[in-house]
Parts: sequence; structure tokens; C-alpha cells
Amino acid sequence: ELKVEQNPLFLSMQEGKNYTIYCNYSTTSDRLYWYRQDPGKSLESLFVLLSNGAVKQEGRLMASLDTKARLSTLHITAAVHDLSATYFCAGDIIQGAQKLVFGQGTRLTINP
Amino acid sequence: GAVVSQHPSRVICKSGTSVKIECRSLDFQATTMFWYRQFPKQSLMLMATSNEGSKATYEQGVEKDKFLINHASLTLSTLTVTSAHPEDSSFYICSAGQGTNQPQHFGDGTRLSIL
Repeated sequence: ELKVEQNPLFLSMQEGKNYTIYCNYSTTSDRLYWYRQDPGKSLESLFVLLSNGAVKQEGRLMASLDTKARLSTLHITAAVHDLSATYFCAGDIIQGAQKLVFGQGTRLTINP
Repeated sequence: GAVVSQHPSRVICKSGTSVKIECRSLDFQATTMFWYRQFPKQSLMLMATSNEGSKATYEQGVEKDKFLINHASLTLSTLTVTSAHPEDSSFYICSAGQGTNQPQHFGDGTRLSIL
């Protein structure tokens, strides 16, 4: 059974600083996803990581995947207030139907 | 890009009412649709997976008689919360997949409040 764990669960940081959110998963996952959720809203897809060593970047966010360590990271560079949100990672299992297993979420607050 | 429309966005109703939520894929055919529930400040929990024309597969602990899912076409799935009670109040989110090698696309969610 796939389990996905994120840390930290809460993160408060200053604008301009760098930080990393970690996502560990328990068994082989076919893909690893990162999503952003603003309060009261649904999920916004950020990244899909397909293979070991995959790295994707969009603006101040960069995601990477290490399948051997079963670890994905979401790195935030020079944070700005607009990045305040909850970030979820999710792994998926293709067993007849693709099923996503989500981490607990990391609530990120960026202070001016 | 692929768009999933979910309706209604918010429902407030009395205890004992049945509520239907619709999930439509607007510009693609969704072979599989998924229904999630999210309680405040928690993660998303998969409730069930539905494939067009067949019965939904429910996750452990989800009452199939309570949460009726119908996937009548390749673009529409519905979730009916029957005889809803305050403990059913939650944020319900659907997603649609185009196939086993395609990512899911999420609807905007439905906030259900049972008084």
C-alpha cells in the first residue's frame, strides 16, 4: 500500500528566503505530483515527475524526484508572499485505474 | 487544456436532504473519474473511482449506499449524498482522467454544508 508523507506540515518563512518541502513515499510510485491549494479552492497542478532524477522548474518553484530514495522535494527560491498556500505531493498507482495517494499537505505562510 | 467542471460550487441544506454533485469533463472524454473528500485543514481522501458504464469502486470505509455514484457517460459523473447529515459536511472534489498514462484534472470542488 502506497503511503505518502510530507514534512514539514507547517512552514512560516520570510520573503526572500529559500526552503524545501520533502515528500517521502513508501513503495514504488509510477509518478509523483505536486499540487497547490489556496484556501477554499481546489487543486492546481504544479509538476508531474515521471522518472528518477527528474527536475522541473517553474518560476521560484523547483521539484525533483529520487526514486531510489523514494523522495521528492519542492524547493522554493527567494519566496514571495504570493506563494503562500498549501502544497500537496501525491503518488499514483496504476492498478486497473490510476489512483492518487496524497501527502498530508504543507501549509506555507510567507511573511513580508 | 483539459477542463473539469464541477457543479454546484456550494450547497447549504437541511439535515436529511439528498444532494447531487455533477462533474463534467468539458473538452475530453474521461475514461475514469474520481471523487475525493477533504475535511478542513486535512488532505484529500479518495472516496471512489468510477468508470463509464460500470459500478463505482469505493474505498474502504466509504458507504456506497450513502454516496451514490453514477458515471452515465464519458463526460459526466455524479455523486449523490443521500440523507445528508452534518457530519457529511465537507469539501468534495472530483477529478477526471484520460487514461492510465495521463494526469488527472481536478474540478473546482463543492463545499457542502449540512445544517
